[in-house]
Amino acid sequence: ILNVEQSPQSLHVQEGDSTNFTCSFPSSNFYALHWYRWETAKSPEALFVMTLNGDEKKKGRISATLNTKEGYSYLYIKGSQPEDSATYLCAPSSNDYKLSFGAGTTVTVRA
Amino acid sequence: DAGVTQSPTHLIKTRGQQVTLRCSPKSGHDTVSWYQQALGQGPQFIFQYYEEEERQRGNFPDRFSGHQFPNYSSELNVNALLLGDSALYLCASSGEAGSSLYEQYFGPGTRLTVT
Repeated sequence: ILNVEQSPQSLHVQEGDSTNFTCSFPSSNFYALHWYRWETAKSPEALFVMTLNGDEKKKGRISATLNTKEGYSYLYIKGSQPEDSATYLCAPSSNDYKLSFGAGTTVTVRA
Repeated sequence: DAGVTQSPTHLIKTRGQQVTLRCSPKSGHDTVSWYQQALGQGPQFIFQYYEEEERQRGNFPDRFSGHQFPNYSSELNVNALLLGDSALYLCASSGEAGSSLYEQYFGPGTRLTVT
């Protein structure tokens, strides 16, 4: 089980503002990193799977970067909207099958 | 196309009892992983099933066991329930033989309460 830290634990953002948060993980034996969005009363939804150092992925207003050498990934939300309110989970993997989830960053977007 | 389904949605059991949770994977997926999410924590990996075999296991005692059927659906069994087993149990399915290079699709979870 990997030691995964996500910070901050929660944040409040004004609608229209941009924000970002961090996922830290052991840099040794890195295999892949997943980001999921989990809205209340719904199932976790996959955002990105990242594998290469320097990877940048984008889906709409959400993007992510990956630094495998220092063991961190940033998730960015540009121009936050109320529908972006959710818990964002990162999950690195050190082998081909098992994901180790962080506790998540809960984002609340205020209108 | 049906996504991942889990049953039941909620369950209340008494300490010492046994429970079985069920999961049907997304169509076309061959691998099922189970996770436990306790309050305030991220999902913790319990085990993964592929080709009807447990392929990898997290740090959970033998009270937690599972099964995968030929149609790829899966069951999670927990024996001798403890209060600490109260949690949300998530099932996730994936294709590509469950490689973590590919995204997992999660079900809505089963909320287990042990009293």
